[in-house]
Amino acid sequence: EIVLTQSPGTLSLSPGERATLSCRASQSVGGSYLAWYQQKPGQAPRLLIYGESSRATGIPDRFSGSGSGTDFTLTISRLEPEDFAVYYCQHYGSSPFAFGGGTKVEIK
Amino acid sequence: QLQLQESGPGLVKPSETLSLTCTVSGGSITGSSYYWGWIRQPPGKGLEWIGSIYYSGSTYYNPPLKSRVTISVDTSKNQFSLKLSSVTAADTAVYYCARQVKSGAWPRWSDYWGHGTLVTVSS
Repeated sequence: EIVLTQSPGTLSLSPGERATLSCRASQSVGGSYLAWYQQKPGQAPRLLIYGESSRATGIPDRFSGSGSGTDFTLTISRLEPEDFAVYYCQHYGSSPFAFGGGTKVEIK
Repeated sequence: QLQLQESGPGLVKPSETLSLTCTVSGGSITGSSYYWGWIRQPPGKGLEWIGSIYYSGSTYYNPPLKSRVTISVDTSKNQFSLKLSSVTAADTAVYYCARQVKSGAWPRWSDYWGHGTLVTVSS
């Protein structure tokens, strides 16, 4: 069973700054079988990135994903006010399709 | 525009069975490119994948829950359902249904989600 560890737990940044979120797997997820989701309070998660670096429909290009194997990164190039939220990674290389514990991006 | 809507009791007694249904509108549940899944989130905590089903009935379940979970599909109603037996307070969570893109034999990423429904386990 693959365990995903996200870091940091909380990221305090200002609008306009760059955010770098990490997701590390306990073993290889088998290529780039990783997705990133954004969740705001009281809302369902929203798909941002899949296949390591493909943006979902309607996701702005300030969001980008990279990595393979066990180490993955979500980068938000310039934080907009609406980007402050919790971000989750999820692998889908093999069952069970686990989520990471999340990174909260908060306004500094 | 595809929409998913969860429905079912918001309160379930300990030891009983939690039953939820997800109704899909704006698209067919029999699409060959998709699985349909359930994910839950305890209050203030992270996300947990429960299981997924293909329209043919093929399923994948999360091992820690497998003995208590049944996911089924009703193609005539464009719905799929979750049953979780012998619930305890630890099963209190917001339950989401989602569409999952199928690649090879597996469900992959979840691209459409329902709004979620809170189920509380309490006597």
